[in-house]
Parts: sequence; C-alpha cells; structure tokens
Amino acid sequence: KAGVTQTPRYLIKTRGQQVTLSCSPISGHRSVSWYQQTPGQGLQFLFEYFSETQRNKGNFPGRFSGRQFSNSRSEMNVSTLELGDSALYLCASSFLAYNEQFFGPGTRLTVL
Amino acid sequence: AQKVTQAQTEISVVEKEDVTLDCVYETRDTTYYLFWYKQPPSGELVFLIRRNSFDEQNEISGRYSWNFQKSTSSFNFTITASQVVDSAVYFCALSGAKYNNNDMRFGAGTRLTVKP
Repeated sequence: KAGVTQTPRYLIKTRGQQVTLSCSPISGHRSVSWYQQTPGQGLQFLFEYFSETQRNKGNFPGRFSGRQFSNSRSEMNVSTLELGDSALYLCASSFLAYNEQFFGPGTRLTVL
Repeated sequence: AQKVTQAQTEISVVEKEDVTLDCVYETRDTTYYLFWYKQPPSGELVFLIRRNSFDEQNEISGRYSWNFQKSTSSFNFTITASQVVDSAVYFCALSGAKYNNNDMRFGAGTRLTVKP
C-alpha cells in the first residue's frame, strides 16, 4: 500500500505570495490532517478534514485554509505569506477518527 | 485543555544502553488516546504505538516498551539495548476521542542520540 504523499517537497516563495500544498492519503483513509512544524513552536495542528468536511481547526489565522476532495485528497492554502510561515508542513491520514495517523514526508516551505 | 510535556529535550547514550523517554500529559477527557512517533533525520514521522485511556497494560515490541500510568498521567517509552539507528526525535502525542476533538497535541519532542 502506498504511503501518504505530499507535493511539492520543497517550495520557496516570497512574502505576500500565496501557496498551495497537496496531500494524497493512504488509499481508503478518509481523514486527513495538516500540521505545521517549526523549531520554535514544534508540531502544531492546523486542521482536519473528513469526507470533504473540516471537522477540527487549530489556532491559526484565516490565511491558512484547506479543502478535501471526494477522493480524499487534500490541499492546504496559505495566502499573503509571512516570513514566519516558513516551516515543514506535514499531512497525515487515518482510516477513522482516533486511529493512528500516518504521516507524509512533508513540504518544506521557505518564505523569503 | 490538552497538553503534553516531554521534559527531556535531548538525551545522549552509548550504544547498548537502555534509555527511557518521559511523557506527561494533561486532559479533562475520560476517553483519550496516546501516541508515540519517531522522526528520523529524513523528517517523516513514523508511528510507533497508540494506546487508549482504558488500556493500562504495558506494551512491549522488540526492544521497545511503553509504560502507561493514569495515576501519574504518564506514558513513558523505553528503548532497551539502544542502537545507532534509534537516533531520532521522539514525539509523544495526545488525542481526544470526540467527533470534533480528535486533533493530536504533540509534545516538544526528545532528541535521542545513540553513539557507537
């Protein structure tokens, strides 16, 4: 079974731009969660989607948004990028709620 | 509020030593889940174990073992006879068990270095 895939793996943007990251979950998994990892704040939960609906949202500004498609693939978007948005963005999928989450390799975003 | 504390920021041991990584959690939920993940230098988080709040049995998997104690709100992880390949950052995480509250809260992580 293929694991969670994320594209692109690396991204460099400048302040003010927007970015879209993509995540393909493990086949059959309906829950997709997004996390931001930075040296200062550690791993922080962004949001979770289940069957195309956002079920949970972390404490991030509205510049961070996401969506899930009918095939469970998910995208997250960050608008008006700030330097502090530089981070590793991790996507995780699980079969059902409360199950263990399996993580993708992440997208490393650098904002200049 | 849910919170996970991993007080050990970095641990360094010599190969074949046993090492215990501490994890203390806070939650008001009666039903919850605890996890351990490993993050090697490649960056991808690797799932190690999930434990629900009603199962306090200790778990052993090869050289890995976990000690869950609700009385002290701890879920500690022990690696026996450590190996260089165990070098990584280890995260303890806590998840609620409600439909709209299953986001995982991670601890700050413990960086384990195993020297040959």
